[in-house]
Amino acid sequence: NAGVMQNPRHLVRRRGQEARLRCSPMKGHSHVYWYRQLPEEGLKFMVYLQKENIIDESGMPKERFSAEFPKEGPSILRIQQVVRGDSAAYFCASSTRTGEYGANVLTFGAGSRLTVL
Amino acid sequence: AQTVTQSQPEMSVQEAETVTLSCTYDTSESDYYLFWYKQPPSRQMILVIRQEAYKQQNATENRFSVNFQKAAKSFSLKISDSQLGDAAMYFCAYRSPMDSNYQLIWGAGTKLIIKP
Repeated sequence: NAGVMQNPRHLVRRRGQEARLRCSPMKGHSHVYWYRQLPEEGLKFMVYLQKENIIDESGMPKERFSAEFPKEGPSILRIQQVVRGDSAAYFCASSTRTGEYGANVLTFGAGSRLTVL
Repeated sequence: AQTVTQSQPEMSVQEAETVTLSCTYDTSESDYYLFWYKQPPSRQMILVIRQEAYKQQNATENRFSVNFQKAAKSFSLKISDSQLGDAAMYFCAYRSPMDSNYQLIWGAGTKLIIKP
């Protein structure tokens, strides 16, 4: 089991460009979550997806950010017209199920570090 | 709202020694979950240990153990016989039983340095 795979590990973009971050969940996991980690801060939840559905996007900035988890292929976090404040580590996690009391622990990927010049 | 505080931005310990990382939290709930995650240079977040608040017994996982003081809202992590591979960022996290497992509240982390 390869675990949660994220790529690219490092991405450099200039202001105004687009950034695409990919996440392949663990085998058997159908729930994907994206988090952002700013310097010297803990993880902040962004969005929760299941196949072809966004379940909770309460942590997503209203503009420029979008996420998808198509029927086939990895989940994609897309940031349009990046700004310097988008520089952060973006982590993906997956799980088998969610919302169960006392159940489940997220499995995290290694993260993608976005640097905006 | 719940908050998690890790007051030690950085800690260092001699190899083979014991180190304790502190974590305090604020909540009005009586039942909840607490976690310690490790983030090595590879940046992958790895679950170290989990504690259910309704359990009085402190969780233990090999060289890792917690000191859970519910009344004081403290959840420290003790690492015994520190090894070079323990060098990483350590994050404390809280989850309400009413929230889904992705809605963790995270501390800012403690960088642990192991001196050979």
